[in-house]
Amino acid sequence: DSGVTQTPKHLITATGQRVTLRCSPRSGDLSVYWYQQSLDQGLQFLIQYYNGEERAKGNILERFSAQQFPDLHSELNLSSLELGDSALYFCASSYTSGSYDEQFFGPGTRLTVL
Amino acid sequence: GQQVMQIPQYQHVQEGEDFTTYCNSSTTLSNIQWYKQRPGGHPVFLIQLVKSGEVKKQKRLTFQFGEAKKNSSLHITATQTTDVGTYFCASEAISNFGNEKLTFGTGTRLTIIP
Repeated sequence: DSGVTQTPKHLITATGQRVTLRCSPRSGDLSVYWYQQSLDQGLQFLIQYYNGEERAKGNILERFSAQQFPDLHSELNLSSLELGDSALYFCASSYTSGSYDEQFFGPGTRLTVL
Repeated sequence: GQQVMQIPQYQHVQEGEDFTTYCNSSTTLSNIQWYKQRPGGHPVFLIQLVKSGEVKKQKRLTFQFGEAKKNSSLHITATQTTDVGTYFCASEAISNFGNEKLTFGTGTRLTIIP
């Protein structure tokens, strides 16, 4: 158990819909990262927040957005869903915002778009 | 942006054989981290290398950082079925905000033939 929690574990929805994925970082961690992992693919970095502020952005689509709240939990919003958005979405957390801290990954949310 | 290339993408070995995965970069890396993701699981941090030529061992796993800090390797001696999974390297890259972030390689999926 990494200490990072993600809800829901599974999500099945239809094209065109909007969903929200939730992540609670490890106690004390200030950075939250979102990754997308499609079948047989690597980890595609989406976005990072540090202490409530956006810190780095990867290949995140305009249909996707995220935020980190004052209690440091984060939400990833995916809208106008397409079949290709089906993937495993991981949240990770670390204490600082830099690249020297190990990242602790949550169990992931498996999104299926039908 | 800076990218690390990881090879091979897949590796099938007989149980008891050795296994090696490599990460290569065209630019000097400040650090490199290794993660393991078991099938159906989430990535878990294994180790971080920072110094040129650094070698670290964890039981049957040996991690090495190249002298020029442009490549790294993970070697597993006498593989066991518990070694099955995908191994990712990750290193620092500069984000669109100008600060550093961790970027993951494409991963090497290891399968063991009993």
